[in-house]
Formats: sequence, structure tokens, C-alpha cells
Amino acid sequence: DAGITQSPRHKVTETGTPVTLRCHQTENHRYMYWYRQDPGHGLRLIHYSYGVKDTDKGEVSDGYSVSRSKTEDFLLTLESATSSQTSVYFCAIEQAGSANEQFFGPGTRLTVL
Amino acid sequence: GENVEQHPSTLSVQEGDSAVIKCTYSDSASNYFPWYKQELGKGPQLIIDIRSNVGEKKDQRIAVTLNKTAKHFSLHITETQPEDSAVYFCAASNLDGQNFVFGPGTRLSVLP
Repeated sequence: DAGITQSPRHKVTETGTPVTLRCHQTENHRYMYWYRQDPGHGLRLIHYSYGVKDTDKGEVSDGYSVSRSKTEDFLLTLESATSSQTSVYFCAIEQAGSANEQFFGPGTRLTVL
Repeated sequence: GENVEQHPSTLSVQEGDSAVIKCTYSDSASNYFPWYKQELGKGPQLIIDIRSNVGEKKDQRIAVTLNKTAKHFSLHITETQPEDSAVYFCAASNLDGQNFVFGPGTRLSVLP
């Protein structure tokens, strides 16, 4: 499972509240990614990180911010959650030397009421 | 940007038959094409991948073929088993790897 954990695994929150999801990895991988998964859309990249404090936007970054203060942790924050952000969120890592192979965590199901 | 289409969206086969899922991509710069299997309640799992310098790759009952000229690639599963039932996703990426684009997925059901 490439040593990836996500927390929480499930969360229900209300519109307008801030939410932070955590991705933790134990194997010192440089690249980390956040995706959202919605029916009919597959997985879409939100943000990614290529090192501590080095992040960049993906395809659907509006409404999301990220931080990476330690190699092992990549945080995804919804500053003010909206119902359109109800989704399943997956973190992924790219193993060093694997040349693009990405491995996914177990996911976080977020419901915004 | 890259756009990946995937067909069919659902596929039912009898146990022991073969299953084929096809994807097309739009960006000729894409050169890495992975396939993921996702079981209910779990994250996607990489099952096989292919790079643009080869046309076919096989791993036991699973194979992937790539046609760069036509910009399409396919997943082939032979001798299907009930445990092959899952959602399968294709993806395309270029060398820097930061722009993985996934297809919408195919729900495969293997009927006993």
C-alpha cells in the first residue's frame, strides 16, 4: 500500500466551514498528489507537491489550498466548504525511481451539507 | 490539455471469457499509460502500465496494447474471474508526470 494513510476516512460538515484532510506517508517520497473522484469524471488532480513547501495547482484547484511543511505530510484545506466539494478525496505518491508510477491511499469521503 | 475517453462505461462478461476496455487520448506528448483497478471502498490500485516505446505488455492474464499513431490503448483481461469485478481506470501522462489525466472509468462485472 506504499505506506499511505489518510485521515479522516469519513467526514460530514456544513457549508461554509473549513475542512482539512491529511495525507501521511512513511517512505520519504518526494512527490505527493491530491485528487477528487466524482461519478463520471474519474479522478481529477487538485494540487500536487514536489517537495517540502513546493506545491502547484492541478486541474480543479479552485476552492482548495495545500501545505507541505514536512516530507511525510500533505494537507488539503477547504477554506469554506461548499456542497460541490462533496466527493471522495484520494492522496497519491510517486515512488522515487518509478518513473511516473503513482500509488493511492484509501481515500476520504467528504460530505458537505 | 489532455483529454482521455474510455469505453465502455459498463461491461458484463461470463466467468472465463475475455474483457477488453479501450481508451483514447488527445495529447501526442503523452507517453505513459497506466491502468488502475478500484474495488468498492478502496483506493485505485495500479495493475499494469505501458510506455510509448513499446506496443504491448503482458502480465499473466492482463495485457495492455498501445497504438501511438491512433492515440489509443486497451486493457485486455483473459480468463476472467469473479474477483476481476471492479471499476477500471485508464490514464495518460507525459514525462514530467504531473498531469495525470484519468478516463471516467469502466465498471466490469464478471458473472459466475
